[in-house]
Amino acid sequence: KAGVTQTPRYLIKTRGQQVTLSCSPISGHRSVSWYQQTPGQGLQFLFEYFSETQRNKGNFPGRFSGRQFSNSRSEMNVSTLELGDSALYLCASRGGTSGSNEQFFGPGTRLTVL
Amino acid sequence: AQTVTQSQPEMSVQEAETVTLSCTYDTSESDYYLFWYKQPPSRQMILVIRQEAYKQQNATENRFSVNFQKAAKSFSLKISDSQLGDAAMYFCAYGGATNKLIFGTGTLLAVQP
Repeated sequence: KAGVTQTPRYLIKTRGQQVTLSCSPISGHRSVSWYQQTPGQGLQFLFEYFSETQRNKGNFPGRFSGRQFSNSRSEMNVSTLELGDSALYLCASRGGTSGSNEQFFGPGTRLTVL
Repeated sequence: AQTVTQSQPEMSVQEAETVTLSCTYDTSESDYYLFWYKQPPSRQMILVIRQEAYKQQNATENRFSVNFQKAAKSFSLKISDSQLGDAAMYFCAYGGATNKLIFGTGTLLAVQP
């Protein structure tokens, strides 16, 4: 089974621009979660999608948004980029619906905002 | 709100020796899961071991085992017979009713040959 894939792997943007990151979960997995990883704040939960519905949301401003498609692929969008948005963005997929199931992580997208 | 604390930013162990990484958490939930994730320099996060809170028996996975003390809200990871490939950042994580993972700040493990 192919693992979680994320594209692109690296991005460089300038302040004020917007960016879209993509995540393809493991085949059959319907839950996709997004996390932001920075040296200062560590790993923080952004949001979770399940069957095209946002099921949970972390404490991030409205500039951060996401969506999920019928094939479970997910995208996250960050508008009006700020320097502090520079981070590794990790996507994770899960097969079940409860918190007990393992989350499988992708390799991440490294976003640099200049 | 749930919190996860890892008090050891860095640890070092000699190859073939045993090392224990510490983790404490706080929660008011009765049903939850605890995880240890490993993030090598390549950045791919992988699950090392998982513990269900309702199980008294400590989880083990080959050279990896946990010491789960529910009353003390402690969840430490023991790595036996350490190998060079064990060098990585290790994150303790909590998974509760909301399905999101709450991570600790991580422990960077170095393995000395």
